Amino acid sequence: ETGVTQSPTHLIKTRGQQVTLRCSSQSGHNTVSWYQQALGQGPQFIFQYYREEENGRGNFPPRFSGLQFPNYSSELNVNALELDDSALYLCASSSPTGPTYEQYFGPGTRLTVT
Amino acid sequence: GNSVTQMEGPVTLSEEAFLTINCTYTATGYPSLFWYVQYPGEGLQLLLKATKADDKGSNKGFEATYRKETTSFHLEKGSVQVSDSAVYFCALFDTGNQFYFGTGTSLTVIP
Repeated sequence: ETGVTQSPTHLIKTRGQQVTLRCSSQSGHNTVSWYQQALGQGPQFIFQYYREEENGRGNFPPRFSGLQFPNYSSELNVNALELDDSALYLCASSSPTGPTYEQYFGPGTRLTVT
Repeated sequence: GNSVTQMEGPVTLSEEAFLTINCTYTATGYPSLFWYVQYPGEGLQLLLKATKADDKGSNKGFEATYRKETTSFHLEKGSVQVSDSAVYFCALFDTGNQFYFGTGTSLTVIP
């Protein structure tokens, strides 16, 4: 069984640019959540996608947006990048048959904004 | 609102020492509580969980008990190993399907 994978591993962007991060959920998992983990901090919930619809959002501005595809993979898009967006972005998936809190995390994408 | 406060690190222990990492929470309702571990370069891994008051979660020698009266979920291990060196996160999961994480506690175990 393949776990949650994310791409790319690392990314460097310039302030004002746009970025897309990708996540492939674990096989059979139809719910994907995204988290931002700043250096030295715990992960913060950005949003969750379930059956291709946003299903909950944390305290992040609209320039953070997402998509979920029919195969349940997901993208996180961030527009107008700011220096404070530099962080590890984690994706987590969960199964339709298990409890919602049972989320499996990917290794993350390290985004650096200069 | 919901929040998690955990003991600041870093924590350095000798092998076979006793470990306690304190965690307290603020929540409306009755959240589920978790400890996650993050090894260098890896994603978060669920270490243990407790879904209701007085439940004890345990895994790999680690334990934590959900104490509603003190709103705490302290992590303990009787004898740490070098391989336990990692960052530990306390978290709560609320009825809004959202995790709230603490800031993490870095543990280094020296031989």
